[in-house]
Amino acid sequence: GAVVSQHPSWVICKSGTSVKIECRSLDFQATTMFWYRQFPKQSLMLMATSNEGSKATYEQGVEKDKFLINHASLTLSTLTVTSAHPEDSSFYICSARRGGSDSPLHFGNGTRLTVT
Amino acid sequence: EDQVTQSPEALRLQEGESSSLNCSYTVSGLRGLFWYRQDPGKGPEFLFTLYSAGEEKEKERLKATLTKKESFLHITAPKPEDSATYLCAVAGNEKLTFGTGTRLTIIP
Repeated sequence: GAVVSQHPSWVICKSGTSVKIECRSLDFQATTMFWYRQFPKQSLMLMATSNEGSKATYEQGVEKDKFLINHASLTLSTLTVTSAHPEDSSFYICSARRGGSDSPLHFGNGTRLTVT
Repeated sequence: EDQVTQSPEALRLQEGESSSLNCSYTVSGLRGLFWYRQDPGKGPEFLFTLYSAGEEKEKERLKATLTKKESFLHITAPKPEDSATYLCAVAGNEKLTFGTGTRLTIIP
């Protein structure tokens, strides 16, 4: 099956610093990747759609200047949380699909971010 | 707006006790319904895709079914390793919408 790798699996950072999370599709090329955020006992919330070679599309209410997304190749997307604050602490998960919009998303194992 | 409601929120079963999880949905133009399993601290793991009413998919102790309004995930003779949160998602004309999941606990 399709494999999506996400790194790091957890990170602790101080308030005001930036953190970069990487998402790689290991056995397929992904022109589009998706970044989700998940709060405890809540559903997955789509933050943004990462498009290879072009700007990301952000969902309403997501600050594009705080959550910088770069999709420089067909197998790598990165999410940088800039000037992190404690309220940014969450579980961030990336995903990609091998086919069209009726194909399933395959998820990375997530990154637990804790901002102190 | 597309909506997905999963029930129950949590379910505790004895090992070997079969049951079903429900996913009710409203969507404009169903492109597919997906079931995922999520273990604590991990990303969701893809289980099944269903595309049309009447379709069924099976994998080990799990069987997913689909009608025009809901999907069921049937679990037969579950084992403790089946304990996880099961998520349902629907792909409509706009985007993928997830439910909040059913937290399943299988007691040995």
